[in-house]
Amino acid sequence: NAGVMQNPRHLVRRRGQEARLRCSPMKGHSHVYWYRQLPEEGLKFMVYLQKENIIDESGMPKERFSAEFPKEGPSILRIQQVVRGDSAAYFCASSPSTEAFFGQGTRLTVV
Amino acid sequence: DAKTTQPPSMDCAEGRAANLPCNHSTISGNEYVYWYRQIHSQGPQYIIHGLKNNETNEMASLIITEDRKSSTLILPHATLRDTAVYYCIVRVATGGYNKLIFGAGTRLAVHP
Repeated sequence: NAGVMQNPRHLVRRRGQEARLRCSPMKGHSHVYWYRQLPEEGLKFMVYLQKENIIDESGMPKERFSAEFPKEGPSILRIQQVVRGDSAAYFCASSPSTEAFFGQGTRLTVV
Repeated sequence: DAKTTQPPSMDCAEGRAANLPCNHSTISGNEYVYWYRQIHSQGPQYIIHGLKNNETNEMASLIITEDRKSSTLILPHATLRDTAVYYCIVRVATGGYNKLIFGAGTRLAVHP
C-alpha cells in the first residue's frame, strides 16, 4: 500500500504564474488535508476535503488559493498569481479514521 | 482543541532513552493525545496516540498521567535518526476528521 503521494516534489514558479500541487491519498482514504510550512516555521492547517466536498477551509487564504478533491483523481491545491511569500513546503495528509498520514511535501519556490 | 506545552529543545545520547514531556492541563475527557515527529524537511510522521491508558508500539511508548494533564513520549533506545521535531497534539478523535493543530514542538537532538 503506497503512502500519500505528492507531486511535484519541487516546483519553481515566477511571480504571477500559477502553481498546481497534487496529492494522491493512501488507498481507501477519502479524507485529505493540506498544510503549509513556511521556512523555519511550524505547520499550519489550510483545508480539509472529502471527495467532491470542502469540509473545512478555515486556514486557506481568502484570495488566490483554492483546493479540490474530485471524484476521480488526486486532490489539487491551486495557487494563482503566486508571490514570493507563497514560497513554502506544502504537505498533504490523508486519514482513514483516527490518525493522519503525511506525504513528503511539495516545495514551492517563487522567483 | 486543548493547548499543549512542550520544551523547545532537548538533547539525548545515542542508545539512551529519550523522554519527551508534554503538558495539556486543559484537556477534555474525550480528547486524545497524539504524537507526531518531523525529521528535517520531511512530512510529519505519526508515532502514537492514546486516551488515558499507557500505549506502546514499535516506535515508542506513551505514558499519560492519571489526571491526564500531562504525558511523556519515550523513545527507549534513541538513535541518530531520531533527531527531529516532536509534536504533542491533543484533539478529539472523530472518525475521519483529523485536523491537527501543530505547535512549536520539541527539537530533539540525539548525539553520539
